[in-house]
Amino acid sequence: EVRLVESGGGLVQPGGSLRLSCAVSGFTFSSYWMHWVRQAPGKGLVWVSRINTDGSVTKYADSVKGRFTISRDNAKNTLYLQMNSLRFEDTALYYCAREGSGWCYLDYWGRGTLVTASS
Amino acid sequence: QSALTQPASVSGSPGQSITISCTGTSSDVGTYNYVSWYQQYPGKAPKLMIYEVNNRPSGISNRFSGSKSGNTASLTISGLQAEDEADYYCSSYTTSSTWVFGGGTKLTVL
Repeated sequence: EVRLVESGGGLVQPGGSLRLSCAVSGFTFSSYWMHWVRQAPGKGLVWVSRINTDGSVTKYADSVKGRFTISRDNAKNTLYLQMNSLRFEDTALYYCAREGSGWCYLDYWGRGTLVTASS
Repeated sequence: QSALTQPASVSGSPGQSITISCTGTSSDVGTYNYVSWYQQYPGKAPKLMIYEVNNRPSGISNRFSGSKSGNTASLTISGLQAEDEADYYCSSYTTSSTWVFGGGTKLTVL
């Protein structure tokens, strides 16, 4: 069974940092591109970042570029999102998701971890 | 990276068909056949319903279908059922090698 479990969310002051983790199981992690997608309370889905199988290629939404860093540890079957210089508007539920083998769709999602940037 | 445009809400009666549109630009929907659709119930994670414009993952009912014309993609749900009431999001790959989602559509089954 494919499982993705996010952790690391919490309350942080604006300007602060947080690192999210996504532990996966049930599939060969090193064979799949991975994504982070966020959803502010009561709002829609927003794509955040994407990473290729070996971590050498990454992409970011303009709203987080230069502040967030996606990475992965294939030996630990874990995806990460380092979030720096957090802003009020980064408050959201952060989902990790697997990109399907056929490309450009997200076939498995975690349940999300909540990040709240507030003073 | 502007969001794709979806109607905020659509509604239909059980048994009817509804269509949700998803309008992008020549930088995303209009260039690639990498449009996908997701269903999300309140408090739950999104679920893939359609990928690559008109393909259904295993286990998804054939009542769900997708299409695309120019810069606009569409999701059609036929034989509407109460369990279809949810939020629906479209997504597309872009010419900047990034992804973009639509704003979401709330489907109400009357």
